[in-house]
Amino acid sequence: RKEVEQDPGPFNVPEGATVAFNCTYSNSASQSFFWYRQDCRKEPKLLMSVYSSGNEDGRFTAQLNRASQYISLLIRDSKLSDSATYLCVATGYSTLTFGKGTMLLVSP
Amino acid sequence: NAGVTQTPKFRVLKTGQSMTLLCAQDMNHEYMYWYRQDPGMGLRLIHYSVGEGTTAKGEVPDGYNVSRLKKQNFLLGLESAAPSQTSVYFCASSNGLAGGQETQYFGPGTRLLVL
Repeated sequence: RKEVEQDPGPFNVPEGATVAFNCTYSNSASQSFFWYRQDCRKEPKLLMSVYSSGNEDGRFTAQLNRASQYISLLIRDSKLSDSATYLCVATGYSTLTFGKGTMLLVSP
Repeated sequence: NAGVTQTPKFRVLKTGQSMTLLCAQDMNHEYMYWYRQDPGMGLRLIHYSVGEGTTAKGEVPDGYNVSRLKKQNFLLGLESAAPSQTSVYFCASSNGLAGGQETQYFGPGTRLLVL
C-alpha cells in the first residue's frame, strides 16, 4: 500500500468552480502535512501547510482528519492559473512522503 | 538569495558513463534531499543528508552515491549510468528545525537522459 494516496485525476473544471481533492496517508505517526503545487516541468512549491484545526489561505482551504487519516484541499472560485498538479505530503522520519499528485485543469 | 540551485539543467549520457549532479542552497539549511520523478511514479527519495558530513539512503538509492562535504552543497553521483536512470532529478533542502518534518524547498530540477 502506498503511504500517501491521491486520485491522479485529471479534474476538469470551468473557471469559477469549486473543486476538492482528498488524500489518504498510511503512517499514523505522521506529524505534519502539506499541499504542494507543481506546474508542468517545474519544481514542486509549497502551497500550504495543513493544521489539525483546518486552515484557510484565500481561496484555498485545507483540512486534516487524523482519525480517518485523510487530508483535503478545497479550491474555491477556480482560476485558469490554478491548473497544475497538487501533491499531498505527509511526514515520515526525517523525510517527507509525497503522493503522486492530482492534476487539475481549469478551462475558460 | 537564490534558494536552491541545480547544475546542470539538462544532460544526455551514454550507458556506462558517469556524472555528478550538483545542488547548492544559500539558506543555511541543515537537511538536503535528492529525489527522482518519473511519469506515474511521483517523487521518490534517493538519498538525503541531515547535516554536513552525513548521508542516508532513501527509497531508491541503488546506482547512486552522494556526498555532503560542505553544508551548502549536496552532490549526487551516477557511477555507471543506465537507461533506467533517465528521469528528472530534484534537489530539496529544509532547515531541520523540526527534524525533517518541515517544509522543503526545491531546486528547478535536472533532466537526465541516458541512451
